[in-house]
Amino acid sequence: GQQVMQIPQYQHVQEGEDFTTYCNSSTTLSNIQWYKQRPGGHPVFLIQLVKSGEVKKQKRLTFQFGEAKKNSSLHITATQTTDVGTYFCAAGSGGYQKVTFGIGTKLQVIP
Amino acid sequence: GAVVSQHPSWVICKSGTSVKIECRSLDFQATTMFWYRQFPKQSLMLMATSNEGSKATYEQGVEKDKFLINHASLTLSTLTVTSAHPEDSSFYICSARDPLTGGYNSPLHFGNGTRLTVT
Repeated sequence: GQQVMQIPQYQHVQEGEDFTTYCNSSTTLSNIQWYKQRPGGHPVFLIQLVKSGEVKKQKRLTFQFGEAKKNSSLHITATQTTDVGTYFCAAGSGGYQKVTFGIGTKLQVIP
Repeated sequence: GAVVSQHPSWVICKSGTSVKIECRSLDFQATTMFWYRQFPKQSLMLMATSNEGSKATYEQGVEKDKFLINHASLTLSTLTVTSAHPEDSSFYICSARDPLTGGYNSPLHFGNGTRLTVT
């Protein structure tokens, strides 16, 4: 499947600071999805990006898909303790569009 | 909508025994389900793609005879860990897509996962 590299692996921020996680691929992606997994929980779908240069917002979360469709980012403005969790990017490939996940970025928010 | 139920949530078994994990799509039909494995503080590793009515497709390095997958109906896929050993202890999660929400590009809906501990 598609290989997606994700950085950083861990991030500690003070509550109110911004946070960004990056996802990169060596090949062009047809789409990219973002998921959030809370501690002890299962991944929950956040958003999917399909178009080159696409930008989508969900309240304090901003998702971007690069012009070349090889990279993506998730930016959280003014983090809150409820943002704690691991954020994964994921890319689909193959006939069944099996989804390969990045290593994830674990976000800790210090109150 | 698009709820995936996984059972059991956790299981402890003795080395050498087999464990069956069930994954059900409750409000949609899923011809394809995906089984992932997640070690502590690591990413989700795709183990296999489960296909209704046909054989599962396993990822490289995953033993077919060790991890038996059966997708007997459009709403149920099972993963059986055979002759489990302590190194099989992990978090196993299934997922599926609702075909009515975009086909192969639609998001994955995950079960709650099964934490397997082999003693």
